[in-house]
Amino acid sequence: DAKTTQPPSMDCAEGRAANLPCNHSTISGNEYVYWYRQIHSQGPQYIIHGLKNNETNEMASLIITEDRKSSTLILPHATLRDTAVYYCIVRVGGYQKVTFGTGTKLQVIP
Amino acid sequence: DVKVTQSSRYLVKRTGEKVFLECVQDMDHENMFWYRQDPGLGLRLIYFSYDVKMKEKGDIPEGYSVSREKKERFSLILESTSTNQTSMYLCASSFRTTNTGELFFGEGSRLTVL
Repeated sequence: DAKTTQPPSMDCAEGRAANLPCNHSTISGNEYVYWYRQIHSQGPQYIIHGLKNNETNEMASLIITEDRKSSTLILPHATLRDTAVYYCIVRVGGYQKVTFGTGTKLQVIP
Repeated sequence: DVKVTQSSRYLVKRTGEKVFLECVQDMDHENMFWYRQDPGLGLRLIYFSYDVKMKEKGDIPEGYSVSREKKERFSLILESTSTNQTSMYLCASSFRTTNTGELFFGEGSRLTVL
């Protein structure tokens, strides 16, 4: 699985959009981009994933650049409950191991 | 709802003791994973298994072993604990697909070795 690079921390005002970047410049053509988040003292929770098209669900939007070397997770209206560590990973699934990095600690400020 | 259950939330052990951490999932997932999480280091993969009796080393397998005798159960074994194994241990499972293989995590087991 390719490695990812994320900023260690970010702040976002409550009610504003939170845009979390992820660099995955060595991603392979068959690797998907996945985002998870971990609220303190809980196991990580799946948010969204995509291959090359932008994706949206009830939690967030995922924007993947055309060259697929980076992506952005968007939380459209951040709330205090969105304060968490966000992990971006890339994987092909199947028999492959799944490697996480250190993620981005998002602090939503009232 | 998928449920991944870890046997113990909190354990305190003395150096040299043996520890079994058990993980059970109820969604017939082929893949199961064990991670440890330490401040500043994120989640690090210890071992994973893609089928019964199959196991693969992750990034930090030293000092650990695993067992997968049944599809729903994946155990992490610390034969002789040391203080540097004090950590949060997280189990996860997923289908073995190339697309929607999202991971489902348990709540974690916090191990303290004295």
